[in-house]
Amino acid sequence: DQQVKQNSPSLSVQEGRISILNCDYTNSMFDYFLWYKKYPAEGPTFLISISSIKDKNEDGRFTVFLNKSAKHLSLHIVPSQPGDSAVYFCAADHPGAQKLVFGQGTRLTINP
Amino acid sequence: KAGVTQTPRYLIKTRGQQVTLSCSPISGHRSVSWYQQTPGQGLQFLFEYFSETQRNKGNFPGRFSGRQFSNSRSEMNVSTLELGDSALYLCASSPRPAGANQPQHFGDGTRLSIL
Repeated sequence: DQQVKQNSPSLSVQEGRISILNCDYTNSMFDYFLWYKKYPAEGPTFLISISSIKDKNEDGRFTVFLNKSAKHLSLHIVPSQPGDSAVYFCAADHPGAQKLVFGQGTRLTINP
Repeated sequence: KAGVTQTPRYLIKTRGQQVTLSCSPISGHRSVSWYQQTPGQGLQFLFEYFSETQRNKGNFPGRFSGRQFSNSRSEMNVSTLELGDSALYLCASSPRPAGANQPQHFGDGTRLSIL
């Protein structure tokens, strides 16, 4: 049962443009969401999170949007830079959860 | 502040052997979670330890086990290794257990190759 889904395995974006990565979830109990970035041969790095009491959280070039009614969140990267090329994972949590639940990841490639 | 440290970084074993991987969490973090990453499989949850107690275990066979020490360091053991166990094993730590709405911080993993 895939409770957190990233339906796009890959995404290619021009340098300087906006990258939008999407994530859907099915468990309405989730109330905290995270995005991680992963380079090859390294562990995932925490990027940004959002609580369900908000619908937007910004940190520099990264903004996460949460649409609770649609059970959908997205990560916007503006402007996209070559160093943003990586695999991005979304994850979800809720009180009483026994683990973070991760999506399958989206490979983002930024083209010069 | 030192991050999560995993040792060794790379390991080559043969089928039937056993292996122990180590994880030192960020100072002050009492929760340690382990994940397996294989190509195309995302992050598969193995187990979480908090205050030396296993809180939850993922859908892995009993060959996969772990423990946590009083200093919060954790070890993961895999016995009777199979070819399919070749993967990147990641450890993540956090101050409190999962469910506390906080990020987990990952180490760089141990790349295990089974010949």
